[in-house]
Amino acid sequence: KQEVTQIPAALSVPEGENLVLNCSFTDSAIYNLQWFRQDPGKGLTSLLLIQSSQREQTSGRLNASLDKSSGRSTLYIAASQPGDSATYLCAVIGGVSGGSNYKLTFGKGTLLTVNP
Amino acid sequence: KAGVTQTPRYLIKTRGQQVTLSCSPISGHRSVSWYQQTPGQGLQFLFEYFSETQRNKGNFPGRFSGRQFSNSRSEMNVSTLELGDSALYLCASSLDRVAYNEQFFGPGTRLTVL
Repeated sequence: KQEVTQIPAALSVPEGENLVLNCSFTDSAIYNLQWFRQDPGKGLTSLLLIQSSQREQTSGRLNASLDKSSGRSTLYIAASQPGDSATYLCAVIGGVSGGSNYKLTFGKGTLLTVNP
Repeated sequence: KAGVTQTPRYLIKTRGQQVTLSCSPISGHRSVSWYQQTPGQGLQFLFEYFSETQRNKGNFPGRFSGRQFSNSRSEMNVSTLELGDSALYLCASSLDRVAYNEQFFGPGTRLTVL
């Protein structure tokens, strides 16, 4: 059974700091991994999608890496801003042996607070 | 391009009732997935519909069901509501099957069961 863990559960940083959020998963047989942010009471906003064959993806100040063999992904946020404050979630889509089905598993998220 | 829309945004029901939630995907997207989000369990996958067929299913009881129409719009139904069904229900759409495509989420429907 796939388990996705995000560490830390909460993080508070001053504005301008570079930071790294971590996501680990137990089953390396994945199709892709996607990072989202969620603002309180809202839906999820897609940040980056990394296919299993890729090592990293970049969008603006965000860079996500994927290391399937070690079951880890990191989300790097450069020059953080107060507007980056949100919960960041990673989602792993993994294969189920013997079929075309797959399982989607989310981590519990990291609550990021960027202080002005 | 309009995003994923969900209706209604808020619902209050009592135990034993049933509820239907609606999701309109981004134009051109053929896959719709449903998720339940609670403080205790986090985000859990309910099911995925693609081309009007349920293609994938999470570990939820049969009280949770759904369907997809020819225009890719989807509905989710929960029968015989229980207190534990109180949650934020999110729908997401993707161009094709979720395994290979980015998902885009709607704002969610907040369901409260009294």
